[in-house]
Amino acid sequence: EDQVTQSPEALRLQEGESSSLNCSYTVSGLRGLFWYRQDPGKGPEFLFTLYSAGEEKEKERLKATLTKKESFLHITAPKPEDSATYLCAVQTAHTGNQFYFGTGTSLTVIP
Amino acid sequence: GAVVSQHPSWVICKSGTSVKIECRSLDFQATTMFWYRQFPKQSLMLMATSNEGSKATYEQGVEKDKFLINHASLTLSTLTVTSAHPEDSSFYICSARPTSGGSYEQYFGPGTRLTVT
Repeated sequence: EDQVTQSPEALRLQEGESSSLNCSYTVSGLRGLFWYRQDPGKGPEFLFTLYSAGEEKEKERLKATLTKKESFLHITAPKPEDSATYLCAVQTAHTGNQFYFGTGTSLTVIP
Repeated sequence: GAVVSQHPSWVICKSGTSVKIECRSLDFQATTMFWYRQFPKQSLMLMATSNEGSKATYEQGVEKDKFLINHASLTLSTLTVTSAHPEDSSFYICSARPTSGGSYEQYFGPGTRLTVT
C-alpha cells in the first residue's frame, strides 16, 4: 500500500536555527514529489517539484532534496515568516493526476 | 503566474440549502481541476477530480449527488453542496493542473470556509 509519512509532526525553531523536515514514501512508480507551504486558513502554496533521486531544488532559505525513499526540506537560518505547515505530496503512475498528501509538519520559528 | 481563485472565501448557510463554490484558474487553462476537503489540523482529502467537458470522478465515500461538480470551461469548475448539513461544514480547496507545459504541479486556490448552521 502506498504511504507518505512526514516527520516531525511539529517543529519549533529559534530564528536562525537551521533544520530539516522529512517526507518518506513507499510508493511504486513515483512520477513526482511536491512540496507545498500552507498558512492557516489558506490554500497550499507551491514550492518545489522533484522527479528523480538525486535532484535538488532551492528557493531562498529552502532546499528540497530527493532520494529513492525520502525527501528532505532543509530550512537554512529560518525567520518567523517561515512559520507554516509544510506538506509533501506524491504522484505515482497508478494515481494518474491525483496527489497523495502527507499529514504535514507544522513549523514555528520563534524570534 | 499560476493563480487560482475561489469564490466565496467563506459562506454561512442554513441546513437544507445549497451552496455553490467557484474555482477559477486566472492565468492558465486547466483541463483538470481537483476538489479537496480539509478538517482542522488535518491534511487535504481529495473529494473528486474534475475534467473539462466530462463527468467528474469521485473518490470512494464521496456522494456525487450531494457534491455536484461542473467543469464547464478550461478555467472554471464549480462545486455545489446540495442540501447542506452541519457535518458538511469544512474548508474546501480546489486546485488546477495547467493543461500546457507537461508538468504535474497543481496550483491551489485560497479555499472556501463553509459553515452550515
